Amino acid sequence: ELKVEQNPLFLSMQEGKNYTIYCNYSTTSDRLYWYRQDPGKSLESLFVLLSNGAVKQEGRLMASLDTKARLSTLHITAAVHDLSATYFCAVADYGGSQGNLIFGKGTKLSVKP
Amino acid sequence: GAVVSQHPSWVICKSGTSVKIECRSLDFQATTMFWYRQFPKQSLMLMATSNEGSKATYEQGVEKDKFLINHASLTLSTLTVTSAHPEDSSFYICSAILRSGLAGSETQYFGPGTRLLVL
Repeated sequence: ELKVEQNPLFLSMQEGKNYTIYCNYSTTSDRLYWYRQDPGKSLESLFVLLSNGAVKQEGRLMASLDTKARLSTLHITAAVHDLSATYFCAVADYGGSQGNLIFGKGTKLSVKP
Repeated sequence: GAVVSQHPSWVICKSGTSVKIECRSLDFQATTMFWYRQFPKQSLMLMATSNEGSKATYEQGVEKDKFLINHASLTLSTLTVTSAHPEDSSFYICSAILRSGLAGSETQYFGPGTRLLVL
């Protein structure tokens, strides 16, 4: 059974600081996603990581994937208040229902001025 | 990019009634759609996989007779919560799979969600 663990679950940080969110998963998968969710809203796709060593960057967010370690990271650089949201990683479970996604519990990020 | 819509956005109903939620892929055809449920401050949990032209596949612990799924066309899947109770109050999110011509290339697009409150 595929399990996805995110760490930390809550994160409060000052503007301008850097931090990394970690996503570990338990079995082999070739597809990892990062999503952002604002309160009361659905999911906004941030990154799709498809191969070992993949690194993608968009603005102040950078995601990487190490399939051997079964670890993905989401790095926040010089955080700003607009980044406050809940961030989910999700891993494609091909042993399940036609490739459904297994989500981590989410990391609630609060960036304070 | 691809768009998935849900209707309604909000629904409040009395206990014991049934509620239908629609999920539409607006600019692409989707043979596969997923229905997720998200309780407050929790992650998304897959409820079922909706397959066009065939029966839905339900995850363990999800009652198929309570959560009726109909994928009647390549752009529409519906979730009906039958005899809803307060514990069914949740945020229901659907997603649709867009498969491109490239082998194994697929992207999952999420709808905006439907918030259900059962009184």
